[in-house]
Amino acid sequence: DAGVTQSPTHLIKTRGQHVTLRCSPISGHKSVSWYQQVLGQGPQFIFQYYEKEERGRGNFPDRFSARQFPNYSSELNVNALLLGDSALYLCASSPRFSATADTQYFGPGTRLTVL
Amino acid sequence: AQKVTQAQTEISVVEKEDVTLDCVYETRDTTYYLFWYKQPPSGELVFLIRRNSFDEQNEISGRYSWNFQKSTSSFNFTITASQVVDSAVYFCALSEGGYSTLTFGKGTMLLVSP
Repeated sequence: DAGVTQSPTHLIKTRGQHVTLRCSPISGHKSVSWYQQVLGQGPQFIFQYYEKEERGRGNFPDRFSARQFPNYSSELNVNALLLGDSALYLCASSPRFSATADTQYFGPGTRLTVL
Repeated sequence: AQKVTQAQTEISVVEKEDVTLDCVYETRDTTYYLFWYKQPPSGELVFLIRRNSFDEQNEISGRYSWNFQKSTSSFNFTITASQVVDSAVYFCALSEGGYSTLTFGKGTMLLVSP
């Protein structure tokens, strides 16, 4: 079975531009989460979606937004890019949105560089 | 608020040595979940193990073993007879009260040389 897929693999943008990152979860998984990982740090939670609804949001500015589609795939959008947005963006999927903390399975990430 | 501390930034060992990666967590919840992930140079986080706060049994999976001690809020990871392929960054993570959101430590880079 295919794992979590993300596109594009790499992306170079300039300050002030907008970017859209895409994620397809593992088949059968209905929850998708986004994390930002800057170099040398652990991933930081950005959003979690389940059944097309936002279920959690991390401490990120409103320039970050996301959505989930009926097929459970997801997009992360970042407006007005800053140099500090340069990072590896990881998508993770899990079967449910559950109080028993389903294991999250991660994709390969999108490496965003902002110049 | 929850917090995960991985005090070891980088560890270097020679192949076949045993190595232990430390993880200390902070949480006010009585129900929580602990995870370890491996991140090879390719960047993808690979799930290794999940434990809940009510299960303090140690676990062994091949060369990997985990020691969970609530009394010291630690969830340490030991690799026995390390191999070059074990070289990666290892992250410990905490999910408080469920709902999947993970709080990660800063990671420990393990370098295993031949």
